[in-house]
Order: sequence, then structure tokens, then C-alpha cells
Amino acid sequence: DAKTTQPPSMDCAEGRAANLPCNHSTISGNEYVYWYRQIHSQGPQYIIHGLKNNETNEMASLIITEDRKSSTLILPHATLRDTAVYYCIVRVANQAGTALIFGKGTTLSVSS
Amino acid sequence: GAVVSQHPSRVICKSGTSVKIECRSLDFQATTMFWYRQFPKQSLMLMATSNEGSKATYEQGVEKDKFLINHASLTLSTLTVTSAHPEDSSFYICSASDDRGYNEQFFGPGTRLTVL
Repeated sequence: DAKTTQPPSMDCAEGRAANLPCNHSTISGNEYVYWYRQIHSQGPQYIIHGLKNNETNEMASLIITEDRKSSTLILPHATLRDTAVYYCIVRVANQAGTALIFGKGTTLSVSS
Repeated sequence: GAVVSQHPSRVICKSGTSVKIECRSLDFQATTMFWYRQFPKQSLMLMATSNEGSKATYEQGVEKDKFLINHASLTLSTLTVTSAHPEDSSFYICSASDDRGYNEQFFGPGTRLTVL
């Protein structure tokens, strides 16, 4: 059963912010929100993860709503190289023996 | 950062032959590694969980005798596709879970298998 819901596709102009939404209304208290992306014909790449506070790193920002039922991944200045499938995944942290389960993700197309 | 490598990146083989794919964690130890398969325009599908020194755990519908997994060390897992057929043609991706910190999974670059 899918734990997250994402729009199948989004478009973004190069240089603009890309805001990718994710709904996870059944998230448990000990589950984190993870974001990965997959550029065509490559393995998935870790982007960011968070529990309840907003998080930022060199790649992106993650905004999680106060009720934790949804989140938004923000790429502040999208480039053509950000064109990829973005996956939002919820899982318990510190579970090295538990695999990531991928949904269908959002295909982000960045154009000039 | 944590790096996972796969070898080979591409392989073409004849139907009926066996193909071995290697997955290595280069700068960290991974007690657990995972194997995924991805068909065109589809998402990644988990095939099996590989634990160092023990038998792999296969997902429902994945034939364990066809997809042999060996995890002989904390940095190496192998997937052997035995008696490959054209329907086994796919993109195979491994990942390794860093035993430190928050156990983010790091993915290899994938292996494109084409069975003629």
C-alpha cells in the first residue's frame, strides 16, 4: 500500500524554484520523510530527510506541515540537471535492515 | 560521502546463460544491501534484502533459485541471474544501508541487463 501520494508530473522553468508536494496523511510518529531522485538511467540519489522540523542542505529544503500529513521539497533554483523523477518516502529511521519502498514519484521537467 | 559501485554497468548475454552483478560499498560497511529491478517507465521494485553472512530474504514473486544473492562481506553483495531469458532484461540497482547515523540508503549506478 502506498504511504505517499505525489503528482505524476510537474514542469519548472530553469532558475525558478521547484516545489514538489507529497501527501503522507497516515505517517506514524516515528516515521521520517525521505526524498530521493532518479535521473534517467542512474541509481536513485539521496536528497534530504526530516521528522517534523524544516530541513535544508546544499541540495534542497524540506518543509513539513505541523500535522506532518504533507511536505514539500523545494529546489530553490532549478537547473536542467534537476530533471528527474523525485520520490517521497516515509520510513522509520535507524532501520538499516529495512528497504526503501518506492512509489511512482513525480517526474520533474526543467526547461530553459 | 557514501559511495556504492556496481559492476558491470551494462551487460548483454545470450538466453540461457548466467550473469553476475557485483555491488560494493566503497567507503563504508554495510550489513544490509538491497537489490531492486526497474523496468522501463516503471518505479524501482524491491527484489531482495541481502544480509552479510546469511541467506537473502526475497520479496514475494521473486524466484530465489533464479536470482542468487551472496553477501560474503560487509562491502560486497552479488546478484547472479541464472539461465537468463529476455524477460529478465531490466535495470538492476543495488543499495547499501550505512550502519552509522540515520541509515540512509545509498544506491549504486545500476546495471543494464539485456538478454538476447
